[in-house]
Amino acid sequence: AQRVTQPEKLLSVFKGAPVELKCNYSYSGSPELFWYVQYSRQRLQLLLRHISRESIKGFTADLNKGETSFHLKKPFAQEEDSAMYYCALTRGYQKVTFGTGTKLQVIP
Amino acid sequence: ETGVTQTPRHLVMGMTNKKSLKCEQHLGHNAMYWYKQSAKKPLELMFVYSLEERVENNSVPSRFSPECPNSSHLFLHLHTLQPEDSALYLCASSHAGTSNEQFFGPGTRLTVL
Repeated sequence: AQRVTQPEKLLSVFKGAPVELKCNYSYSGSPELFWYVQYSRQRLQLLLRHISRESIKGFTADLNKGETSFHLKKPFAQEEDSAMYYCALTRGYQKVTFGTGTKLQVIP
Repeated sequence: ETGVTQTPRHLVMGMTNKKSLKCEQHLGHNAMYWYKQSAKKPLELMFVYSLEERVENNSVPSRFSPECPNSSHLFLHLHTLQPEDSALYLCASSHAGTSNEQFFGPGTRLTVL
């Protein structure tokens, strides 16, 4: 069975500090991994996916198959980054597993 | 309206009621999903529909019944629910076979009395 673990329920950082939101997964095949974000009073939306290897709003995430991790990073946190962040793993379109989410709070 | 829409946005029902949640997507996607989001629990995938097949999560009680009349519309029929079914129900869509990115609706906040 596939599983996604986000160990931190809440992560508080000061503005300008680096951010790392942790995501570990368990899956024996080749996973497709995503980070979704939910800003206050907005719907859940895609932030980035591992296959595109892009940087969105200053965030990057690298898939580490050896450590089965897909941590989300940003070198300098901004206040507008405060939101709920969810890591997700998919196996085709049918099997989708989300983590429990991490609330990022950026302190001014 | 573009994207994924859901109605109603809020629903309060008794345990003996029958109600339905509606989801509509205007993105040309061919797969639609129902999720349950409860407090302190991860997003739980309930059902997936595509033109080819329906995939169920076997742990979903039969008091939840999905219906997908076409690729743009998805319903979740509710009957004899329990208070523990109170949650935010999210609909999503994707383009199966091309991208597994999920596009979410705003959700229906369901309260079962």
